[in-house]
Parts: sequence; structure tokens; C-alpha cells
Amino acid sequence: GQQVMQIPQYQHVQEGEDFTTYCNSSTTLSNIQWYKQRPGGHPVFLIQLVKSGEVKKQKRLTFQFGEAKKNSSLHITATQTTDVGTYFCAGGRSSNTGKLIFGQGTTLQVKP
Amino acid sequence: DTGVSQDPRHKITKRGQNVTFRCDPISEHNRLYWYRQTLGQGPEFLTYFQNEAQLEKSRLLSDRFSAERPKGSFSTLEIQRTEQGDSAMYLCASSLLTGVAEAFFGQGTRLTVV
Repeated sequence: GQQVMQIPQYQHVQEGEDFTTYCNSSTTLSNIQWYKQRPGGHPVFLIQLVKSGEVKKQKRLTFQFGEAKKNSSLHITATQTTDVGTYFCAGGRSSNTGKLIFGQGTTLQVKP
Repeated sequence: DTGVSQDPRHKITKRGQNVTFRCDPISEHNRLYWYRQTLGQGPEFLTYFQNEAQLEKSRLLSDRFSAERPKGSFSTLEIQRTEQGDSAMYLCASSLLTGVAEAFFGQGTRLTVV
């Protein structure tokens, strides 16, 4: 079946350093979404990418969808303590269902 | 509050008992999903409704699991004859039928089977 792999599993950075998490799907995706989950919380939607090669920015966050629509990345510039949490990518095979296959997540710790 | 709500938030049950969870989605959302999340893992898809129709169910889902969404509003997830391996966070999410399929998650129901 479809698998979505995410690396690294954990990342510890000093506040102000950059952070990147990578996501790879075993199959071509219709779209990819990114979610953030704070400790003890539930996943919260960050963004959706649909087009091949698409790049979107949200303040210090940059999201990229690969040309083959099988991989994606999230880059955070100059991390802050408020960025702490687990970041999940979630791949959609079809826009008809909205069903998402989540990666294992990357847990980000930021040292002040 | 117009977010997704789940009840109960926590459930402790003895092995072999049946449990039922409820999810109230955002009112205008046609799609409703159930996911299961264990520690250190991403949410795992269980099943999906569009209005009242259950359109997809994970092949990994045991026959002990059943979900309903009568009248296309709230949904229930029942687990029969619970096992210790069923211990997890059960997340419900809802989304619109068209446009960006952003999934709004509830706070989840944490199930502990003892």
C-alpha cells in the first residue's frame, strides 16, 4: 500500500538555527498537506500543496512539493521556541476522498 | 465553539469490553474521518464518510471496529471486545467537500485498555 516516510524523526536545534524536515511517498500524490501537533494537542493544518514544483511560504516557513509529486519538504528559518512540536506531512492520493496518509512526523525541540 | 468535538476525552476499559466514541464535526463539513494515533506515530487512517455514506474503510481495520454516521451529522466509532493493542488516541476530523481539503481535527479520545 501507499507509504509516506518522513525524516528525521527528531531534531534538536538552538533557537535561531534553521530546521528542515523531508517527506517521501512511495506513490505519486494528488496533494500534500502539512500539520503541526503540539505536545498533548491535536494536528493543526498548516498548508496544502497541489501543483508539481509548488513552493509556498508562511512567514518563516517554506513548503515545497517535488516535481514528481512524490516528495515534499518544510523548512523553518531562524527557529523560535514557539516552533516546538511534531510536524507531519500527509499525502492525498485523490482529491475525491480527502483521505490522508500521514508520515511518522518530525519532532522539533528548540533550545532557548 | 464551532470546532470538531469528541466525547469522551479519556476512556479506560477492561479487555473484552465494548466502547463507543462520539464525534461532532463542524456543521457544514460533508466529510468525516476517523484516525488512530499511537505514541511517536502519525495518525493512521481508519475510515471515511461523505455525508452519511461510509466510503472507505482501512484494510487494517479489524471487524471489531464499526463506525456510523446517521443522518450525515455526528459519527460514532465502536470497538467490540477491546484488546490491549487497541490502546491509542482516536482522532476524528472533518473537512469540506470542495476546495482545500483541510482537515480539522478534534481533541481526540484517549483509550486505555487494561
